[in-house]
Amino acid sequence: DTTVKQNPRYKLARVGKPVNLICSQTMNHDTMYWYQKKPNQAPKLLLFYYDKILNREADTFEKFQSSRPNNSFCSLYIGSAGLEYSAMYLCASSRGQGCDTEVFFGKGTRLTVV
Amino acid sequence: GDSVTQTEGQVALSEEDFLTIHCNYSASGYPALFWYVQYPGEGPQFLFRASRDKEKGSSRGFEATYNKETTSFHLQKASVQESDSAVYYCALGQNSGGSNYKLTFGKGTLLTVTP
Repeated sequence: DTTVKQNPRYKLARVGKPVNLICSQTMNHDTMYWYQKKPNQAPKLLLFYYDKILNREADTFEKFQSSRPNNSFCSLYIGSAGLEYSAMYLCASSRGQGCDTEVFFGKGTRLTVV
Repeated sequence: GDSVTQTEGQVALSEEDFLTIHCNYSASGYPALFWYVQYPGEGPQFLFRASRDKEKGSSRGFEATYNKETTSFHLQKASVQESDSAVYYCALGQNSGGSNYKLTFGKGTLLTVTP
């Protein structure tokens, strides 16, 4: 099974409220990623876990949190949602890192903040 | 920082037409180059990669050649089918510090093929 599962597929959130998105994979991949995709923009890497080590991009450092309680699960947490967080959130995973690594993506969670 | 530019935002073709989607990159090092495809309702899927100058990557009739001189990795297919309708992403990958490897994507190109 080479699937990355994301829940929920659609999420409606209120401004100022927290949001928690869930991702899972059963491929025993050591790396899990979160990307944000807005219309007419490239998918943007927010953060990734390599094993238990969290790496967050500098420009989104304070906006997103994440946890990885075990190898299979990874969450993306927004403490206080703003309208600018409305986007598709893509989770992905890979075994290792490097140019010969294939990254597997989930179908995404579409977050709408109102 | 690293960047990927896909010239075409949308491409509309008829079946059996020739496809070219242009991809140019800017990177400080010597990146690997990738094409990903995203079908409606699905996540992006790896299509193929090339890791060095003049290397050709290919899969499912699609191909692209790494050109370091022109910093390009244009996607081509000789004869497209309706089932090829999807969003195509060009990406580059290289180390971003320590052992961290990062993929940088272009904005994507929506390909629509009509019978």
